Amino acid sequence: GQQVMQIPQYQHVQEGEDFTTYCNSSTTLSNIQWYKQRPGGHPVFLIQLVKSGEVKKQKRLTFQFGEAKKNSSLHITATQTTDVGTYFCPGGTYKYIFGTGTRLKVLA
Amino acid sequence: EAQVTQNPRYLITVTGKKLTVTCSQNMNHEYMSWYRQDPGLGLRQIYYSMNVEVTDKGDVPEGYKVSRKEKRNFPLILESPSPNQTSLYFCASSFGGPYNEQFFGPGTRLTVL
Repeated sequence: GQQVMQIPQYQHVQEGEDFTTYCNSSTTLSNIQWYKQRPGGHPVFLIQLVKSGEVKKQKRLTFQFGEAKKNSSLHITATQTTDVGTYFCPGGTYKYIFGTGTRLKVLA
Repeated sequence: EAQVTQNPRYLITVTGKKLTVTCSQNMNHEYMSWYRQDPGLGLRQIYYSMNVEVTDKGDVPEGYKVSRKEKRNFPLILESPSPNQTSLYFCASSFGGPYNEQFFGPGTRLTVL
């Protein structure tokens, strides 16, 4: 069935380093969303990508949607301790699966 | 303030004792959903509802029931809880469907002894 695979599952970075997480689908997606869940918190919507090749930025975060609308990435420049959390990328057409996400730890 | 509320936030219960976790949203959203989150398994969908009186199974519906009699409320019912239902539960809602931004409640941590 329709599913988006996310890698890596875990990532530890030193504060100030860059970080990227990738989401890949075997089928074309209508859109893809990104959420962040802080430790002890609930998932919070970050952004939605709809167009092929779309790139959106939110301060140090850059989101990309692939040309074929089958993959997406989230890149964080110069990570800070406030970036700690799990990032999810549910994407699809009729069913949106959150999966395990990527857990990011930032070492100060 | 636009929000999704869940009650209770924490619950410890025993096997077989029926319980209900309530979920309410004040944004007039059509779509509501229940998820459970377990270490290593991520967020998995239990049930969802596209509108009043319209509900459907998610990926892990066994042992759960839901109802959607009013647009704002979407309770999750565990008729006979078992220890494998110990988990963190989230309710979420959105306009139209899951293809739009989902707003999550604060979560309910359930322990079944």
